[in-house]
Amino acid sequence: AQKVTQAQTEISVVEKEDVTLDCVYETRDTTYYLFWYKQPPSGELVFLIRRNSFDEQNEISGRYSWNFQKSTSSFNFTITASQVVDSAVYFCAKRNYGQNFVFGPGTRLSVLP
Amino acid sequence: DGGITQSPKYLFRKEGQNVTLSCEQNLNHDAMYWYRQDPGQGLRLIYYSQIVNDFQKGDIAEGYSVSREKKESFPLTVTSAQKNPTAFYLCASTRGGGTDTQYFGPGTRLTVL
Repeated sequence: AQKVTQAQTEISVVEKEDVTLDCVYETRDTTYYLFWYKQPPSGELVFLIRRNSFDEQNEISGRYSWNFQKSTSSFNFTITASQVVDSAVYFCAKRNYGQNFVFGPGTRLSVLP
Repeated sequence: DGGITQSPKYLFRKEGQNVTLSCEQNLNHDAMYWYRQDPGQGLRLIYYSQIVNDFQKGDIAEGYSVSREKKESFPLTVTSAQKNPTAFYLCASTRGGGTDTQYFGPGTRLTVL
């Protein structure tokens, strides 16, 4: 299966700092979909964003932004002015058309007050 | 409110016992999935079902069984053949198309005593 890599196992920042979570994926396909999920301490994975491979526009949603670069096979996630409530494990995932999801190992973000 | 429910939230089992984890969705989704998550690890696919009365093994199906008799229900049985069943189990669903987003339930934490 094609791999999704999240090289940062754990990140700690102080509240109000900006933080970027990296995601690099392998692909041999032209059509695929990229996702980010948040897993707070409660355990449920919460969907954050979905991107298709034909849309390289960056996206901003409040304090969250995503940078998709096909040239480097990366789909990085930035939280601006982080808050304690952002503390969670964040998963990047990829889905080829009609295939199952492939999840990265996750990055644990701790935002300290 | 549409969503995915999993019960129970916490489950304790003695070694050698089978146990069934419940997953119900009212999103009218066709496809359903079971994942296992070990502490500090990513998600591993156990079984998935894209249509009623049909299901396929994922990456770690040994020691598990499923059924899909109704569209909204996809119970997972952890059998005594599963050597290390203590883990967090997540159920997910998608509408069914090859591009759709996966949504998750709150999870069941299984502990074998």
